[in-house]
Amino acid sequence: EAGVAQSPRYKIIEKRQSVAFWCNPISGHATLYWYQQILGQGPKLLIQFQNNGVVDDSQLPKDRFSAERLKGVDSTLKIQPAKLEDSAVYLCASSLKTSRETQYFGPGTRLLVL
Amino acid sequence: ILNVEQSPQSLHVQEGDSTNFTCSFPSSNFYALHWYRWETAKSPEALFVMTLNGDEKKKGRISATLNTKEGYSYLYIKGSQPEDSATYLCVAGGTSYGKLTFGQGTILTVHP
Repeated sequence: EAGVAQSPRYKIIEKRQSVAFWCNPISGHATLYWYQQILGQGPKLLIQFQNNGVVDDSQLPKDRFSAERLKGVDSTLKIQPAKLEDSAVYLCASSLKTSRETQYFGPGTRLLVL
Repeated sequence: ILNVEQSPQSLHVQEGDSTNFTCSFPSSNFYALHWYRWETAKSPEALFVMTLNGDEKKKGRISATLNTKEGYSYLYIKGSQPEDSATYLCVAGGTSYGKLTFGQGTILTVHP
């Protein structure tokens, strides 16, 4: 069974530029999560989708971050414009149905904003 | 946001030692607790999901217990090996209990 795919693996941009990350969850998984992990801290949930609907986006900085999962399968997370403090690892995960089940994580995208 | 705390923040042990860490979380309206192992440059790997008070799970030399009434979970590693070196994360949350919230992790280093 293929795991959660993410791209790119690494990205370096200058502040005020835009960047987009892509995630393809495990086939058949209804729930998809995007996390931001800043060095020295635990991952922080940015947004949780169930199929193509948003379950929780309360910690997503909506003035600059956006995410979509239009067909209920793969998802994109965009930052526009990026700030220095957005430098982090962005993790995508998926679970079969609910957050009571195991989440399977992708390899992450490491973003550096200069 | 749930208050999920892990202790200790970091731990150094010798190969063969047994060790344990703690995850504490709010006990009211508990929903689920997960443990993950995260090795450098790899994806977080699921260890356990626990939902019921008194749950005990085991995977090889690693085991975990759950006390939802007092709001804590223990993760035990028996006979630590260098390959156990990683960050161990717990996460609590879900539905009305609160958004999924990770603890800050316990960094384990096992010295040969």
